[in-house]
Amino acid sequence: NAGVMQNPRHLVRRRGQEARLRCSPMKGHSHVYWYRQLPEEGLKFMVYLQKENIIDESGMPKERFSAEFPKEGPSILRIQQVVRGDSAAYFCASQRQGEETQYFGPGTRLLVL
Amino acid sequence: GENVEQHPSTLSVQEGDSAVIKCTYSDSASNYFPWYKQELGKRPQLIIDIRSNVGEKKDQRIAVTLNKTAKHFSLHITETQPEDSAVYFCAARNLGTSYGKLTFGQGTILTVHP
Repeated sequence: NAGVMQNPRHLVRRRGQEARLRCSPMKGHSHVYWYRQLPEEGLKFMVYLQKENIIDESGMPKERFSAEFPKEGPSILRIQQVVRGDSAAYFCASQRQGEETQYFGPGTRLLVL
Repeated sequence: GENVEQHPSTLSVQEGDSAVIKCTYSDSASNYFPWYKQELGKRPQLIIDIRSNVGEKKDQRIAVTLNKTAKHFSLHITETQPEDSAVYFCAARNLGTSYGKLTFGQGTILTVHP
């Protein structure tokens, strides 16, 4: 059973470009969470999704950030018009319905030049 | 919302010693407390967790204790080994109707010297 997959693992963007981060949950997991980790800091919650629904987006900036988890395919975190302050590691985690453990992916390290 | 404080931020021990990391949380509704280990450049990995209806849980060299009244919980690692060196994060969560987010502490950099 493959773990949580994220791609790309590293992403370099120039200011003003768009970044698209993908997360494929573990098989059988219907809950996806996105977290951001700034250098030498803890993980901060961004958004929680279930298939085709955003359950909690309280940690996601209102501007430029969006997330989706379609019926088919991976969850996508999209950052428009990136700025240097968006440089961070973005982790997704998945969880099976009714269980408590969140399993993390390897992360996408975004660098904005 | 929930706030989790973690101490110390760095911890240096000799191989074979014990290490203790402490966390406090603010939301009395939190009822699930996992601990994650993150090696440099790697993903956070769950090492142990505890629910609020349990006061202590042990798994080999790792144990977690929870004091609900005081709203704090601790990670104990005994007989530390160099491979235990990593960043450790505590977290809190309310396993209520929404199975929502984890709120993490700031992390503890543990270094075990051979």
